[in-house]
Amino acid sequence: DQQVKQNSPSLSVQEGRISILNCDYTNSMFDYFLWYKKYPAEGPTFLISISSIKDKNEDGRFTVFLNKSAKHLSLHIVPSQPGDSAVYFCAARTFTGNQFYFGTGTSLTVIP
Amino acid sequence: DAGVTQSPTHLIKTRGQQVTLRCSPKSGHDTVSWYQQALGQGPQFIFQYYEEEERQRGNFPDRFSGHQYPNYSSELNVNALLLGDSALYLCASSSPGSGEKLFFGSGTQLSVL
Repeated sequence: DQQVKQNSPSLSVQEGRISILNCDYTNSMFDYFLWYKKYPAEGPTFLISISSIKDKNEDGRFTVFLNKSAKHLSLHIVPSQPGDSAVYFCAARTFTGNQFYFGTGTSLTVIP
Repeated sequence: DAGVTQSPTHLIKTRGQQVTLRCSPKSGHDTVSWYQQALGQGPQFIFQYYEEEERQRGNFPDRFSGHQYPNYSSELNVNALLLGDSALYLCASSSPGSGEKLFFGSGTQLSVL
């Protein structure tokens, strides 16, 4: 039962352009969402989060948008840099739960 | 400030064997979660330990067990290994002060032959 879905396994973007990574979820009880970045042979690294009381959160080049009615969130990276090339996972958690549900990841390649 | 450390980094076992993976949480963190990441998949929650007790468990069989020590370090044990247990096992630590974020180690790559 995949409660968090990332339907795009891969994405290629030119350096300097915007990268948009998408994530859909099915559980309306999710109230906290995170994005992680993972390089090969390393563990996932926290990138940015958003709670369900907000619809946008920014941190430098990274912005996460949450559309609760559509059960959809997206991560925008502007401008994209070659060092952003990695696998990006979105994750979600319910208010009372301790486990995070992860999507299957989107592999981003930023072309110089 | 050391982050989350896991050992070993790689492990090869045969079917039916038992394995123990170890994790030291980030300094100041008291909660340890274990995740299994199969090839091409996202991390799947195995269980979480807090105050030396299993606080929550995901959809994994009893062959998967764990332990947390008073210094907050943790072990993941898997008995009667199956080929399907081959995966990257990730340990994550957190605390109320970490803002709900999980801090991950680099993982243990387990291969079952």
